Amino acid sequence: NAGVTQTPKFRVLKTGQSMTLLCAQDMNHEYMYWYRQDPGMGLRLIHYSVGEGTTAKGEVPDGYNVSRLKKQNFLLGLESAAPSQTSVYFCASSYVSSGKIGQYFGPGTRLTVT
Amino acid sequence: RKEVEQDPGPFNVPEGATVAFNCTYSNSASQSFFWYRQDCRKEPKLLMSVYSSGNEDGRFTAQLNRASQYISLLIRDSKLSDSATYLCAVNGGGGSNYKLTFGKGTLLTVNP
Repeated sequence: NAGVTQTPKFRVLKTGQSMTLLCAQDMNHEYMYWYRQDPGMGLRLIHYSVGEGTTAKGEVPDGYNVSRLKKQNFLLGLESAAPSQTSVYFCASSYVSSGKIGQYFGPGTRLTVT
Repeated sequence: RKEVEQDPGPFNVPEGATVAFNCTYSNSASQSFFWYRQDCRKEPKLLMSVYSSGNEDGRFTAQLNRASQYISLLIRDSKLSDSATYLCAVNGGGGSNYKLTFGKGTLLTVNP
């Protein structure tokens, strides 16, 4: 099992450019998440999905869109990148079963917006 | 009160020391608690899950105090390889039990 994978690993964008970050998981998890991690701010939830075809806003959704067309994939889009979106982006997936939760992270994407 | 708060650290301890981290949470409906370890420039990795009063795994012990709404992580006989940032996470409880809120993390450096 590859677990949770993310592409790309690194990216530099100019202000106003767009891009899509891809997250894939092979654990058949229902739930998927996108977080950003900034120094001193911890992990903050951007958007999440509770199943194929569903998405919902997290704590910091502005400037991002997401889609979950297939259960195993969760895409994060930046339509018009801003320097404030310079961050490390982590995707995660989780199961919830009999009250137990297991959430696992991908390796992250380091994004710089100049 | 912030949703999840951790000791700000950093903690610098010698090899072999015992170190403890605390984490407080504000949502009394939370039922699931976690400690993650994050190495520099890497993703968080699940270290321990806590669903009842506590959990022990080798040198690591996590304890939960529901009345006071805090969880702790105790590391005994610290190794150099334990140097990392430790993140506490708490689930939303109720209909949001699949959503975790993370603390900002506590940096631990174990020195030779």
